[in-house]
Amino acid sequence: GAGVSQSPRYKVAKRGQDVALRCDPISGHVSLFWYQQALGQGPEFLTYFQNEAQLDKSGLPSDRFFAERPEGSVSTLKIQRTQQEDSAVYLCASSLYLTGGGYTFGSGTRLTVV
Amino acid sequence: GIQVEQSPPDLILQEGANSTLRCNFSDSVNNLQWFHQNPWGQLINLFYIPSGTKQNGRLSATTVATERYSLLYISSSQTTDSGVYFCAVEDNAGNMLTFGGGTRLMVKP
Repeated sequence: GAGVSQSPRYKVAKRGQDVALRCDPISGHVSLFWYQQALGQGPEFLTYFQNEAQLDKSGLPSDRFFAERPEGSVSTLKIQRTQQEDSAVYLCASSLYLTGGGYTFGSGTRLTVV
Repeated sequence: GIQVEQSPPDLILQEGANSTLRCNFSDSVNNLQWFHQNPWGQLINLFYIPSGTKQNGRLSATTVATERYSLLYISSSQTTDSGVYFCAVEDNAGNMLTFGGGTRLMVKP
């Protein structure tokens, strides 16, 4: 596609509910990243994929967070047993390169946990 | 990890004014990018500028890597320039970007 597509655009979850957030990167992009952006702050790194391999998940805040990219294209970020502190915008970015820039970000999914 | 600080945190301008946004980082970097986040949350890449100077219309950026800072210049500001400007760096060890806290710009007509 022309850009990075994320869905849903907005998600309201009751505390304790599981959610799944989807990212469709630009076709052919090797690298895929997930970031979490709390209100009024800069995005913070969650995890990184190179094709289907998850090379870095050091930013995932707890074992309730899980990401996958099974075929090296679409990625899903899953949050189990959501809590209020999970409320944030979740941004996905992809890049043609392994390193050194060229990032394109999606519009994000705004998750609100009530 | 690498620290990224941006200043000022907030900025209000009258349309037509010029401004300079600053980004300081704590270690040598492989990549530095400036982004504009519009009111709808979309992060738009403005510059990929690990060193040197680049210009794109009314915007220009300079990175002095040896002194670990970058500047974003906005000239003749317009209301559509409003939003949050982020500086983000990629250190030599990893692939991910570390973002600063942003500068929130409001341009008034």
